[in-house]
Amino acid sequence: DTAVSQTPKYLVTQMGNDKSIKCEQNLGHDTMYWYKQDSKKFLKIMFSYNNKELIINETVPNRFSPKSPDKAHLNLHINSLELGDSAVYFCASSQTTGGSQPQHFGDGTRLSIL
Amino acid sequence: AQSVAQPEDQVNVAEGNPLTVKCTYSVSGNPYLFWYVQYPNRGLQFLLKYITGDNLVKGSYGFEAEFNKSQTSFHLKKPSALVSDSALYFCAVTSGAGSYQLTFGKGTKLSVIP
Repeated sequence: DTAVSQTPKYLVTQMGNDKSIKCEQNLGHDTMYWYKQDSKKFLKIMFSYNNKELIINETVPNRFSPKSPDKAHLNLHINSLELGDSAVYFCASSQTTGGSQPQHFGDGTRLSIL
Repeated sequence: AQSVAQPEDQVNVAEGNPLTVKCTYSVSGNPYLFWYVQYPNRGLQFLLKYITGDNLVKGSYGFEAEFNKSQTSFHLKKPSALVSDSALYFCAVTSGAGSYQLTFGKGTKLSVIP
């Protein structure tokens, strides 16, 4: 059973479109995250939710909007896609917000903007 | 602000030889330190963590890491490298209990040569 699953795995779309990425975890964790990994493999936190409440909101364009319908799901909606949005987006979860808990990552969504 | 430095972009080691991947950190307060591994087209996998206690921590796949407070380092080690250890390794830090934002290093590509 996949612990953290993301869909779609690949997303190819044109500039200006709106797209969503879905994430689900079956670990019973309270906290979920979105990360962006750029072409140089640098990993940066975008958002974090704890029990459906936003707790981290890094400096991300407001074209990116996370939504957490319940604590097992954290979706990412992106409006007006730009070339610079091309990256791999990872969802992750951890048991709590406490810094001692390791994070469990999905396998990523590879977003390519044409 | 917290930060992590991985000074080597790439580490090459012969199969069967010991390996070390270096990591230094900067954080206010007590650090919680982590190592993750990323295989191609996969998400990050947790290897090991240091929270408190013994400075030598053991993790998955025979990896271990040594916490050195005076040198603010947390180097990853393995006594005998396998070709299957070839991957991208990330060191990460957070500033302790109550902090939930993990900061990652830029990653070190490990190549184990048969």
